[in-house]
Amino acid sequence: QKEVEQNSGPLSVPEGAIASLNCTYSDRGSQSFFWYRQYSGKSPELIMFIYSNGDKEDGRFTAQLNKASQYVSLLIRDSQPSDSATYLCAVRGNTGNQFYFGTGTSLTVIP
Amino acid sequence: DGGITQSPKYLFRKEGQNVTLSCEQNLNHDAMYWYRQDPGQGLRLIYYSQIVNDFQKGDIAEGYSVSREKKESFPLTVTSAQKNPTAFYLCASSIEGPYEQYFGPGTRLTVT
Repeated sequence: QKEVEQNSGPLSVPEGAIASLNCTYSDRGSQSFFWYRQYSGKSPELIMFIYSNGDKEDGRFTAQLNKASQYVSLLIRDSQPSDSATYLCAVRGNTGNQFYFGTGTSLTVIP
Repeated sequence: DGGITQSPKYLFRKEGQNVTLSCEQNLNHDAMYWYRQDPGQGLRLIYYSQIVNDFQKGDIAEGYSVSREKKESFPLTVTSAQKNPTAFYLCASSIEGPYEQYFGPGTRLTVT
């Protein structure tokens, strides 16, 4: 079983719509969760982190964490063409300094 | 400005040659990492280091070697034993605690 799983997509949404990206993880003891955005040919950049159950909002982005279900999601409201990228879900392991990444979800926002 | 630098951005080598990718950080982070990314794939961990003079193999360490002689530097050598070295290589660092990783800009290695 993979440590972190994401739907690879591709996910296409029209401009202005809500994009919903999902991620599940296997280590129940994981404490910190991250969403990175990666444009083609570039390195990942952090867009959200969440540590506690519930929702965390930052501008058009909302991260949701449900530790009981071992589930993390990212909502992007009012999607823009510039949001078109691959979104990587990452989980920091409970011990040591290891991070576990999903394979990424490719998002295309159609103008 | 604090950050992670990787050089060069693009690297071309002939098959059978060893090549060393540079990674330097001035964030004062203890932990550093090397990942490999293939087209349409996620990140695969090659090596990581939590302190100077210590490092651990990741999931795909075969054909790679690293050193950590200074806190700021974590070079990766891609040896001729690596069967498919052409890929995008990312260096990252982090601090202790529940915090994120910071990534360098990456090096795209092409071996022909």
